Amino acid sequence: QKEVEQDPGPLSVPEGAIVSLNCTYSNSAFQYFMWYRQYSRKGPELLMYTYSSGNKEDGRFTAQVDKSSKYISLFIRDSQPSDSATYLCAMSAGGANSKLTFGKGITLSVRP
Amino acid sequence: EAEVAQSPRYKITEKSQAVAFWCDPISGHATLYWYRQILGQGPELLVQFQDESVVDDSQLPKDRFSAERLKGVDSTLKIQPAELGDSAMYLCASSLARTVRGAFFGQGTRLTVV
Repeated sequence: QKEVEQDPGPLSVPEGAIVSLNCTYSNSAFQYFMWYRQYSRKGPELLMYTYSSGNKEDGRFTAQVDKSSKYISLFIRDSQPSDSATYLCAMSAGGANSKLTFGKGITLSVRP
Repeated sequence: EAEVAQSPRYKITEKSQAVAFWCDPISGHATLYWYRQILGQGPELLVQFQDESVVDDSQLPKDRFSAERLKGVDSTLKIQPAELGDSAMYLCASSLARTVRGAFFGQGTRLTVV
């Protein structure tokens, strides 16, 4: 079993829909949680960063972390065609030498 | 806006040849990572530097891969000899030391081994 599992895709939604992207993890040491967006043939771009459990909102994006369930989510409200990309969750245990462990990624397509 | 610079963007090489990738992290970022991303997969860490020291190279195939960050700034990743299975995107990322507020990635080098 991989340390980080991400819902399989691809996902296709109409413009304006609310999108929910999810990851689960097995390593209870993880306490830093990130979402990256990756357009085709580009490097990942940091979207959201969350420490420990709770919610964080940034514009149309909301990140949720439930450490008791080892489950994180990214919600996108009023989705736009420009949101079409691959979304990767990433996690770290923290500390100076702590690496990021990524999920497999899910490809989202927002239809006009 | 500060960026992680990588070169080249694309590289095609023949099997058994040597290939090298270069990365210049965001100024002031002490932590530098090299990740490999196979199409359809998430990035996987190859090596992590803290300043000029390697702190994690457990997933680096050391028989053919090497990485250095001599002055604690820019870094080079080398593959010799390249194999067909090395075809992937090689991503460099950097972050401030002692923080995990995310790492910032470059645009990557897409390697094709033929």
